[in-house]
Amino acid sequence: AQSVTQLDSQVPVFEEAPVELRCNYSSSVSVYLFWYVQYPNQGLQLLLKYLSGSTLVKGINGFEAEFNKSQTSFHLRKPSVHISDTAEYFCAVSPQGAQKLVFGQGTRLTINP
Amino acid sequence: SAVISQKPSRDICQRGTSLTIQCQVDSQVTMMFWYRQQPGQSLTLIATANQGSEATYESGFVIDKFPISRPNLTFSTLTVSNMSPEDSSIYLCSVKYNNEQFFGPGTRLTVL
Repeated sequence: AQSVTQLDSQVPVFEEAPVELRCNYSSSVSVYLFWYVQYPNQGLQLLLKYLSGSTLVKGINGFEAEFNKSQTSFHLRKPSVHISDTAEYFCAVSPQGAQKLVFGQGTRLTINP
Repeated sequence: SAVISQKPSRDICQRGTSLTIQCQVDSQVTMMFWYRQQPGQSLTLIATANQGSEATYESGFVIDKFPISRPNLTFSTLTVSNMSPEDSSIYLCSVKYNNEQFFGPGTRLTVL
């Protein structure tokens, strides 16, 4: 079975500051890794994904994430956040060959002016 | 990409009644998924709906409570039966298309 832990339930940062949202996972098999964003009152949107290859993955809206197999982590980063980045961010894993996603608890990112 | 619509977008229902949520996707897909997002929590997979076969339910979810239909490759319904306040959640439809999982806007259900 797989599990995903997002270490911070809430992260407040000031506008234009850097941010890191942490994600650790547990799995006995190889997995694919994803970050989704949920803006207020909207559905989920894929930010980025790691399937294979380079461990540094770049996504939309200036976000990137790094897959660290030894630490079983997939932390999300952005060097300079904007007010519009205020949202809930979900880390998810999918066992390779399987279809379903297992989600973390979510991290609420709040950007203060 | 796949564009997913859900109906209704929100509803307020009385205890003991049932609600059927519809999910329509603009492309033919093999698998559709139904997730639940309880207030302040993450998403939990309810079941996987395959066209032409019975849905596959995750642990803790049963067909009598959450019957699912999948009549064709672009449509599915999820019924929340005999509702209680604990069923108040956002229910999301999802599809896998071109190796990416897309989500609908969700149905926000409140049970009084």
